[in-house]
Amino acid sequence: GAVVSQHPSRVICKSGTSVKIECRSLDFQATTMFWYRQFPKQSLMLMATSNEGSKATYEQGVEKDKFLINHASLTLSTLTVTSAHPEDSSFYICSARDQVAGAKRVFGPGTRLTVL
Amino acid sequence: GENVEQHPSTLSVQEGDSAVIKCTYSDSASNYFPWYKQELGKGPQLIIDIRSNVGEKKDQRIAVTLNKTAKHFSLHITETQPEDSAVYFCAATNNAGNMLTFGGGTRLMVKP
Repeated sequence: GAVVSQHPSRVICKSGTSVKIECRSLDFQATTMFWYRQFPKQSLMLMATSNEGSKATYEQGVEKDKFLINHASLTLSTLTVTSAHPEDSSFYICSARDQVAGAKRVFGPGTRLTVL
Repeated sequence: GENVEQHPSTLSVQEGDSAVIKCTYSDSASNYFPWYKQELGKGPQLIIDIRSNVGEKKDQRIAVTLNKTAKHFSLHITETQPEDSAVYFCAATNNAGNMLTFGGGTRLMVKP
């Protein structure tokens, strides 16, 4: 079946640094990928929709200059958290639409970001 | 936009008993309803889904029912096992699939 990978699985960084998270669709092409943020014991919150070859669409309240998204190919989207602060510590999950499977979404394993 | 509500937020059952999680949605245009299981520290995994042209779907111990008129759908897990313990999320979307709205999640605990 369709698989989405994320790298790294967990990262610890100092406040003020930037962190890049990769999301790859391993055996299918994804023109659209989605980035979510999940705080402990809460549901997934959509941050942005990543479109291959065009600018990402951000949800209300998500700073596009802080959370940079690049979707340069049909199998790779990256999320860069710029000038990270402790409040950015969270679980970041990407998802991709398997075009062959219609609306079905495949989720990555998530990336645990801890900002000290 | 779509609004999905999920109940209960926590559910504790004895091993072997059944568990039922219920969700309601607001947008009548929604026609695809997936259910995800999320284990601690992992991403959500699709466990079953249903489209609006059917009322019920079953896969071994799990089943989902959909009532389009009432705009609610439910997840049923029979003969629960400790490994069923996880957080379950319902979701709703339309055919375009770009806007997937999640419920708040249900933490299921199966006691051995």
